[in-house]
Amino acid sequence: GDSVTQMEGPVTLSEEAFLTINCTYTATGYPSLFWYVQYPGEGLQLLLKATKADDKGSNKGFEATYRKETTSFHLEKGSVQVSDSAVYFCALSDKWYSGGGADGLTFGKGTHLIIQP
Amino acid sequence: EAQVTQNPRYLITVTGKKLTVTCSQNMNHEYMSWYRQDPGLGLRQIYYSMNVEVTDKGDVPEGYKVSRKEKRNFPLILESPSPNQTSLYFCASSLGRDNQPQHFGDGTRLSIL
Repeated sequence: GDSVTQMEGPVTLSEEAFLTINCTYTATGYPSLFWYVQYPGEGLQLLLKATKADDKGSNKGFEATYRKETTSFHLEKGSVQVSDSAVYFCALSDKWYSGGGADGLTFGKGTHLIIQP
Repeated sequence: EAQVTQNPRYLITVTGKKLTVTCSQNMNHEYMSWYRQDPGLGLRQIYYSMNVEVTDKGDVPEGYKVSRKEKRNFPLILESPSPNQTSLYFCASSLGRDNQPQHFGDGTRLSIL
């Protein structure tokens, strides 16, 4: 079945550091890929998405490129801020897959990011 | 404002005492679902609904019930809660199964003693 693997952390960085959070996936179909962010005490919010190979999603200084050849969707940001401290979830939606994650949306386990001033 | 509203946000209760967590969305979304979030396990889907009166099991449905009598509401029911259902619960909605992103509520933290 579909799965998403991401580094779990916590990942601790200093302000203005470069961020990479790795995400790889396995899927039976042609998935769309997402990064969601969860700030403390809140629900998940979509950060960015890519719907086909070589697409780049971007938002709030974050970027991720859909790499079909390496089945990856790594999240990057050139200069992180304290306000970026949150849990980040990589996810995929595979409309051709009818198994577990029954709505076609499969999440990774989340990466807790801590940015120190 | 487009939103998914869950209530209560926090609840501490005892084993066996039936409880309901409500979820309401104001976006006229057809698709709604419930997830639980546990440390080291990420989000796991409990139940989902593709439209009124249409519900189906997700990955971890045991011990839970849902209903979808109206498009906007999708309550989660724990008939006889047990301590292993202590978790953080999220309701989500979207236009349809193949329409992302999903919009999430702010979560309900349940503690079953």
